[in-house]
Amino acid sequence: NAGVMQNPRHLVRRRGQEARLRCSPMKGHSHVYWYRQLPEEGLKFMVYLQKENIIDESGMPKERFSAEFPKEGPSILRIQQVVRGDSAAYFCASSINRDEAFFGQGTRLTVV
Amino acid sequence: TQLLEQSPQFLSIQEGENLTVYCNSSSVFSSLQWYRQEPGEGPVLLVTVVTGGEVKKLKRLTFQFGDARKDSSLHITAAQPGDTGLYLCAGGFSNYQLIWGAGTKLIIKP
Repeated sequence: NAGVMQNPRHLVRRRGQEARLRCSPMKGHSHVYWYRQLPEEGLKFMVYLQKENIIDESGMPKERFSAEFPKEGPSILRIQQVVRGDSAAYFCASSINRDEAFFGQGTRLTVV
Repeated sequence: TQLLEQSPQFLSIQEGENLTVYCNSSSVFSSLQWYRQEPGEGPVLLVTVVTGGEVKKLKRLTFQFGDARKDSSLHITAAQPGDTGLYLCAGGFSNYQLIWGAGTKLIIKP
């Protein structure tokens, strides 16, 4: 049973471009969470999705950020018109029972 | 605002010493998890505690959930350099949400 897969591991974007981060949850997991982590800091919740539904997006900026978890395929975190402040590690986690989350290895986004 | 405070934020000790990391909140949790994160990797789940007063052991690591389910501690006995990492606690509620502490950065010097 493969773990949570995130790609790409590293992503470099110029200011103003779009960043698309992908997350394939563990098999059988229907809950997906996205987190953001700045260097030397803990995780900050962004959004929680179940298949085809956004349950809670209270941690996600209202502008430029969006997330989806389609019926088929991975969950996508999309950042439009990236700015330097978007540079961070973005982690995806999935769970089957809402309590225990299993994390991917993250996507490190660098905006230049 | 629900907060989960971890202390200390940073700890650097010699190999062989014992240490305790704390996770405190004013909120009551349905469960509490401890994760360990190494540089460049995602957090890895170490343990989940769900019952007030529960104690779980994982080799040299001992995890305790407070009686009121508001706090937890992680005790490491005879720390090894391989224990170095960022330790994160996360409190779970009866709904889906997990509240995360900011983490304790632990360095074990050989």
